[in-house]
Amino acid sequence: GAVVSQHPSWVICKSGTSVKIECRSLDFQATTMFWYRQFPKQSLMLMATSNEGSKATYEQGVEKDKFLINHASLTLSTLTVTSAHPEDSSFYICSARDQEGRGVYEQYFGPGTRLTVT
Amino acid sequence: GQNIDQPTEMTATEGAIVQINCTYQTSGFNGLFWYQQHAGEAPTFLSYNVLDGLEEKGRFSSFLSRSKGYSYLLLKELQMKDSASYLCAVLDSNYQLIWGAGTKLIIKP
Repeated sequence: GAVVSQHPSWVICKSGTSVKIECRSLDFQATTMFWYRQFPKQSLMLMATSNEGSKATYEQGVEKDKFLINHASLTLSTLTVTSAHPEDSSFYICSARDQEGRGVYEQYFGPGTRLTVT
Repeated sequence: GQNIDQPTEMTATEGAIVQINCTYQTSGFNGLFWYQQHAGEAPTFLSYNVLDGLEEKGRFSSFLSRSKGYSYLLLKELQMKDSASYLCAVLDSNYQLIWGAGTKLIIKP
């Protein structure tokens, strides 16, 4: 099956620093990747849709200058949380859509990255 | 607006059957997904329905009625490992996934 990896799986950083999270599709090409954030006991919140070779589309209320997304290849998207603050502490999950040859818009999720900002 | 409703929490007994309902109102419809999410982990795909009817996959089945904007996930022969949150998500006319808040399922021995 389709596998998506994320790195790191958890990170602790100091307030004001930046953190980069990588999302990779391991056995398929993903023209579209999604970045979600999930706070405890809440559902997934879509932050942005990342398309390979073009600018990401951000959801309303998500600061594009704070959450930098780069989708430079068909297998890699990165999310950089710039000038992180404690309120950015959350579980960040990426997913990738494998559309080629499947015909189903199923999203495969990475294992998630738990970010703690102190 | 777009809206997906599912119960916040349900409790069931090991070995029993439980049905988790999901109702939706979205701009367009291109299918409905059910995902399972254990605490602290990412969601995993369970099922996809785009046509009316029941899709059976082992102990799990998913039903869809597009005219009623309704789906349910049926879990049979419940096991303790089925304790998790179950997320209903609809693919809208723009092929964007609209997520429900999830149903936390608690399995008791």
